[in-house]
Amino acid sequence: AQSVAQPEDQVNVAEGNPLTVKCTYSVSGNPYLFWYVQYPNRGLQFLLKYITGDNLVKGSYGFEAEFNKSQTSFHLKKPSALVSDSALYFCAVRDEGAGSYQLTFGKGTKLSVIP
Amino acid sequence: DAGITQSPRHKVTETGTPVTLRCHQTENHRYMYWYRQDPGHGLRLIHYSYGVKDTDKGEVSDGYSVSRSKTEDFLLTLESATSSQTSVYFCAISPQGTGGLGGNTIYFGEGSWLTVV
Repeated sequence: AQSVAQPEDQVNVAEGNPLTVKCTYSVSGNPYLFWYVQYPNRGLQFLLKYITGDNLVKGSYGFEAEFNKSQTSFHLKKPSALVSDSALYFCAVRDEGAGSYQLTFGKGTKLSVIP
Repeated sequence: DAGITQSPRHKVTETGTPVTLRCHQTENHRYMYWYRQDPGHGLRLIHYSYGVKDTDKGEVSDGYSVSRSKTEDFLLTLESATSSQTSVYFCAISPQGTGGLGGNTIYFGEGSWLTVV
């Protein structure tokens, strides 16, 4: 079975400060990991994904995520937060051998960037 | 823009009435999905389709049916709506199911807000 956890329901950060949104996962094989962002009353937008290779993945809007196999984590980061980054962020995981429909989502973390 | 159109975007309906949500894609992707989003639950898969007339159940399929008569359209039907089906429904697409690049990215539509009163 596969699972993903986002340990923080809400993260508050001051504008201009670095931000981190945490994600840990559990799979039986190798993980495929995804981050999505959801703005109010909108659908989920794909930010980035880790499949294989470099542990640091760069994505849209200046976001990046670091894959750490030993800690089974895939934390989302940004060096300098913007007020416009305020949104709901979802981490998702799929086992390497699983079908695309077998994508398991975390419960989401609400990021608030304070001016 | 993922080339996905959901309709209606907002609907209020009465308990016991049938409701159909439509998803239309312009990407010609083989795989289509219906998810629901509820506070504290994240996103949960209702049904998915891997081709015309090929569908299967997801995690929370009870009370829902789907149909896919054309590659571009995937319909979600609530046969008899209940208050527990008040939710936000998202259609999604991906180019493949397995194999290929493996980490097939799923792209989402803008959502349909359904309220059952």
